[in-house]
Amino acid sequence: GENVEQHPSTLSVQEGDSAVIKCTYSDSASNYFPWYKQELGKGPQLIIDIRSNVGEKKDQRIAVTLNKTAKHFSLHITETQPEDSAVYFCAASEPYNTDKLIFGTGTRLQVFP
Amino acid sequence: DTGVSQNPRHKITKRGQNVTFRCDPISEHNRLYWYRQTLGQGPEFLTYFQNEAQLEKSRLLSDRFSAERPKGSFSTLEIQRTEQGDSAMYLCAALGGAGAIYGYTFGSGTRLTVV
Repeated sequence: GENVEQHPSTLSVQEGDSAVIKCTYSDSASNYFPWYKQELGKGPQLIIDIRSNVGEKKDQRIAVTLNKTAKHFSLHITETQPEDSAVYFCAASEPYNTDKLIFGTGTRLQVFP
Repeated sequence: DTGVSQNPRHKITKRGQNVTFRCDPISEHNRLYWYRQTLGQGPEFLTYFQNEAQLEKSRLLSDRFSAERPKGSFSTLEIQRTEQGDSAMYLCAALGGAGAIYGYTFGSGTRLTVV
């Protein structure tokens, strides 16, 4: 089945710097790749997603890129702010089942003022 | 307000006891999912419903677990004869949305501790 690996597990940046989180997936048939932000005591919140027919997607300070050939996708956060501090999860859809997700192990992002 | 309400938020139970969690999507969603999240890990799929029908169950869902979604609205997840390994966050998600982002809306979860 699909397997998703996520790196790094922790990431510390200074406020205003950029942060990049990378994920790889194993099955080329996966076609939907969302990113979730989870704050302490809360459920994951969808922040951005990308489908396999698109290479890049932006939403204000966040962007996601997808390289289907290499089977990896990345989350980019620019001009980080302390409120960006959270755990971020990437996910890939199960092959041929866009609605069922396989999650990475998460990246704890800390943004220092 | 995430659009999905889960109760209780926390549950501490003794090993061997039965527990039941509830998930209430605020608006109508055809598909409802249950995931389990252990410390330091991402959510793992347990089961999902299309309206009232339970369409898939993960191998993680042993015979001690049962889920229902009567009338296609709220859902319950019951664990019988709890074990310490059942300690985790149980997350419910409804699928839907509009506009640029279509995907899961997760509830805040029920954190289960088995002592």
